[in-house]
Formats: sequence, structure tokens, C-alpha cells
Amino acid sequence: AQSVTQLGSHVSVSEGALVLLRCNYSSSVPPYLFWYVQYPNQGLQLLLKYTSAATLVKGINGFEAEFKKSETSFHLTKPSAHMSDAAEYFCAVSDNTDKLIFGTGTRLQVFP
Amino acid sequence: NAGVTQTPKFRVLKTGQSMTLLCAQDMNHEYMYWYRQDPGMGLRLIHYSVGEGTTAKGEVPDGYNVSRLKKQNFLLGLESAAPSQTSVYFCASSQQSGEGDTQYFGPGTRLTVL
Repeated sequence: AQSVTQLGSHVSVSEGALVLLRCNYSSSVPPYLFWYVQYPNQGLQLLLKYTSAATLVKGINGFEAEFKKSETSFHLTKPSAHMSDAAEYFCAVSDNTDKLIFGTGTRLQVFP
Repeated sequence: NAGVTQTPKFRVLKTGQSMTLLCAQDMNHEYMYWYRQDPGMGLRLIHYSVGEGTTAKGEVPDGYNVSRLKKQNFLLGLESAAPSQTSVYFCASSQQSGEGDTQYFGPGTRLTVL
């Protein structure tokens, strides 16, 4: 069965600092991997996705993630945090079924 | 395009009451989904549909029913609401899921059951 683990339910960084949000997955077949962002009182918006092309995936708002099969990881990074990045971030995995399996989310706080 | 819309945005029910949540999409997507979001639990799939007239159970289907009579609409029903169904409900749609296709989400419905 597929699963996703997001380490750290809360992450706090200073404005301008590196953002690193961790995601590890479990899948019996090559996965499709996603990062979604949820701003307060809104729905989820796709940040980026991995679909077996390049292992380093660039998304919106300066975020990127690297698929590492040997580590079963798909960590999300941004070199320099901005106040507007404060939100909840969800990692999700899909195989060849019709469904996404979401992690429990990481809330990112950015301090001035 | 409006994308995915959900009606209503907020609702308060008493235990035992029934209600229907409406999801509509204008992207001609085949697949539609209903999720619930609870603190610390991420999003969990309730039911989904792979096309007009079809529905299937997700991870947490008990206490909910769905219908997809028109391609653009996906209805979620609660026949007899319980406090455990207090949650934020999200609808999503995709053109063809399972192949790395993006799911597009609505703004959510916040439901409280007293």
C-alpha cells in the first residue's frame, strides 16, 4: 500500500532563510509525487509534481523538489523564504490507480 | 473559467439532520473526488467518480453517499449527520487521474455538526 510521511508538522524559518520540508513515500511501483500548498481558508493549489521525467522538479513561487529513489524521498526546498510562503504544505503520492494519498501536512511559519 | 466551485461555504447542522454538498467543475474533467480535512490528518478520500454515472468508495466512505448524474457535478450527501462528520470538505477534479494528472481543488465547505 502507498503511504506518505511528512516529518515535522510545524516548521519555522526566518525570512530569507532556506526552507526544507521533508516527505518520504512508500510505493510498490514507480510513483507520481506531488506537493500542494494551502493558504489559510483556501483550497489546495499544486506547487509541483514528479511524473518520472527529470528528478529535480521546479514549481511555482521558487519552490523545487528532488526525487531520490534510493532514499524514497521527495523533499521540498526554497532557497530564501518569503513572508507570503506561510501556509500548510502537503505531499501526496499516486501510483497507477485513480487516487492520491496525502501526508498529514507541514505548517510553515516565516518570521521577519 | 471558474474552475471547481463548492456550495455552500459554511453550514451548521444538528445531529441527525441531512444535507447535500454540491461540487461543480467547468473544465470538462472526467474524474471528481470528495475529501475531508481534519487537523493533523491531512486529506482523506471519501468517494470518487471516474465518469458520469459512476462512483466508488475511498478511504472513509461510511456515513456518506454520492451521485454523479451530470459530468460537471458531483454531490456529497450526509443522510444523518453525526458530530464526527464535523470537518472541512474539499472537492477536486482531474482530467485523468492515476497518470500524474493534477487534481484541481475547490475552496472547501466548513461543516459543523452539533
